[in-house]
Amino acid sequence: AQSVTQLDSHVSVSEGTPVLLRCNYSSSYSPSLFWYVQHPNKGLQLLLKYTSAATLVKGINGFEAEFKKSETSFHLTKPSAHMSDAAEYFCVVSGSSGGSNYKLTFGKGTLLTVNP
Amino acid sequence: GAGVSQSPRYKVAKRGQDVALRCDPISGHVSLFWYQQALGQGPEFLTYFQNEAQLDKSGLPSDRFFAERPEGSVSTLKIQRTQQEDSAVYLCASSLQRSTLTDTQYFGPGTRLTVL
Repeated sequence: AQSVTQLDSHVSVSEGTPVLLRCNYSSSYSPSLFWYVQHPNKGLQLLLKYTSAATLVKGINGFEAEFKKSETSFHLTKPSAHMSDAAEYFCVVSGSSGGSNYKLTFGKGTLLTVNP
Repeated sequence: GAGVSQSPRYKVAKRGQDVALRCDPISGHVSLFWYQQALGQGPEFLTYFQNEAQLDKSGLPSDRFFAERPEGSVSTLKIQRTQQEDSAVYLCASSLQRSTLTDTQYFGPGTRLTVL
């Protein structure tokens, strides 16, 4: 079975400074990995996904993530935070035994606060 | 185009009442998923449909939970004899293809269920 650990429940940054949201995964298979963002009262929006192609994945709104198999990590970064980035971020892994590739396993989320 | 929509957005039920939550997926999407998101947690998988067939209901927490998608488009999640522990946000997602490891799931805004 696969699992996801988001190492920080809350990250606070100042506007214009870099963002780092950490994620470690556990999977018996070659996983697909995703980052989703959830703004208050809005649906989950896909930021980016890794599907065994390039290990450095670029997403929307300037976010990117690097898949590191040796470290079983998939950390999310952004060079310069914007006030509109304040939201809950979820690291997600898909793929499991028995052919249920569609099952997404979510981390518990990291709340990003951006201070002016 | 239109995204995934869900109704109602908020539902308050007295313990013991039955509730029905509706999901309208993106038009033409083959796969449909339901997730349950408890307060402060990441979403957890409930069930999966491919067209009208319910292929996986392993995540449904009890036999009080029932989901259907009779014509392969709109889906309804029904909860009978609601309990306080059913209070959560119920998320619906759809994806274009049949279940694949890399397919993107598009989420609706969710229905927040509060059981008093």
